[in-house]
Amino acid sequence: GAVVSQHPSRVICKSGTSVKIECRSLDFQATTMFWYRQFPKKSLMLMATSNEGSKATYEQGVEKDKFLINHASLTLSTLTVTSAHPEDSSFYICSARDFRASGSNQPQHFGDGTRLSIL
Amino acid sequence: AQKITQTQPGMFVQEKEAVTLDCTYDTSDPSYGLFWYKQPSSGEMIFLIYQGSYDQQNATEGRYSLNFQKARKSANLVISASQLGDSAMYFCAMREGDQAGTALIFGKGTTLSVSS
Repeated sequence: GAVVSQHPSRVICKSGTSVKIECRSLDFQATTMFWYRQFPKKSLMLMATSNEGSKATYEQGVEKDKFLINHASLTLSTLTVTSAHPEDSSFYICSARDFRASGSNQPQHFGDGTRLSIL
Repeated sequence: AQKITQTQPGMFVQEKEAVTLDCTYDTSDPSYGLFWYKQPSSGEMIFLIYQGSYDQQNATEGRYSLNFQKARKSANLVISASQLGDSAMYFCAMREGDQAGTALIFGKGTTLSVSS
């Protein structure tokens, strides 16, 4: 089945560091990928929609300059948390859908997530 | 207004019993899809079952079935013969329309605990 690889799985770093998270679709192409943020035992909140070859679409309240998204190819999107602070600590998870798949029944495939801890 | 509502923060069930996890949704789009995902403590999202707005029959996948009541806008997940490994957080999600570029919107989730 379709696989999405997310790396790294866990990051612990000092305040002020920038952290890059990669999301790759391994066996399908995705013109669109999605980035979610999840706090412990809470829902997945959509942060932004990453579009291949164009600017990402951010949800209301998400800082574009804080969370930089790049989608340079049909199989790779990156999320960079710039100048991270303790309040950015969270679980970040990406997902993608095969752009050739038609119909609403195609599920989004999720990466395994990245646990980000800022000290 | 919330698009997806899961009113049960936590549910408890004994092994081999069935359990129903509630989900109601709100949309004016005639074409939509409803999904259930399982998230164990390790964090990965596991796709369980899908129901389309135009589907005439309730979806089933092994021990999972979806009780779809379109007029009531509900899409409850039924897990039959619960197993210890079913203990996890369960999310109901919706996609409005059928474009690949439309994200899933999630409910707040229900934590299911299965005991022996």
